[in-house]
Amino acid sequence: GNSVTQMEGPVTLSEEAFLTINCTYTATGYPSLFWYVQYPGEGLQLLLKATKADDKGSNKGFEATYRKETTSFHLEKGSVQVSDSAVYFCALSERTTGRRALTFGSGTRLQVQP
Amino acid sequence: DAGVTQSPTHLIKTRGQQVTLRCSPISGHKSVSWYQQVLGQGPQFIFQYYEKEERGRGNFPDRFSARQFPNYSSELNVNALLLGDSALYLCASSDLQGGGEKLFFGSGTQLSVL
Repeated sequence: GNSVTQMEGPVTLSEEAFLTINCTYTATGYPSLFWYVQYPGEGLQLLLKATKADDKGSNKGFEATYRKETTSFHLEKGSVQVSDSAVYFCALSERTTGRRALTFGSGTRLQVQP
Repeated sequence: DAGVTQSPTHLIKTRGQQVTLRCSPISGHKSVSWYQQVLGQGPQFIFQYYEKEERGRGNFPDRFSARQFPNYSSELNVNALLLGDSALYLCASSDLQGGGEKLFFGSGTQLSVL
């Protein structure tokens, strides 16, 4: 079956530090890959996505590259801000017609200190 | 435009009771999915509905059921509640059957089973 493994948190960084959150996946087909972010008290928001190998998703300074050879989709940001403090979820979606079910990792909490 | 709305926000039940959670998708979205998020874990897929038909079901017991109405709103029902059903229940909508890879999540219903 499908699975997603993320690095455990919390990750604590100072403002303007470089961020990497590791994500690896197991899937039977050729999934689409996503990063979602969950701010306190809110639902999940799509941060970025990539639909095929070597695609790079990017949004709000965050980037992730779909690496089929290493089955990875690591999230990076060059300079984090306090407002980036949240829980980040890596997810995959099999391309099955008529069905859209995401498989999520367990989440990584990011804490950015001023 | 209003986002995905869920009600109630919080709910407290006792073991053995039944609960109904409600979700209204974004206007124009015909697909609704339900996810269970246990504290400290990633969301797990429960159901997806499109045009009032079930399109997918996750690995949950038959105590969990759902339906979608002609106006595309949805209800999730859980019978014979167990302590382990305590979780945040998230509803998500999307605008394309299967092909819509962007899910929009509501803020969730926090269910506590005592």
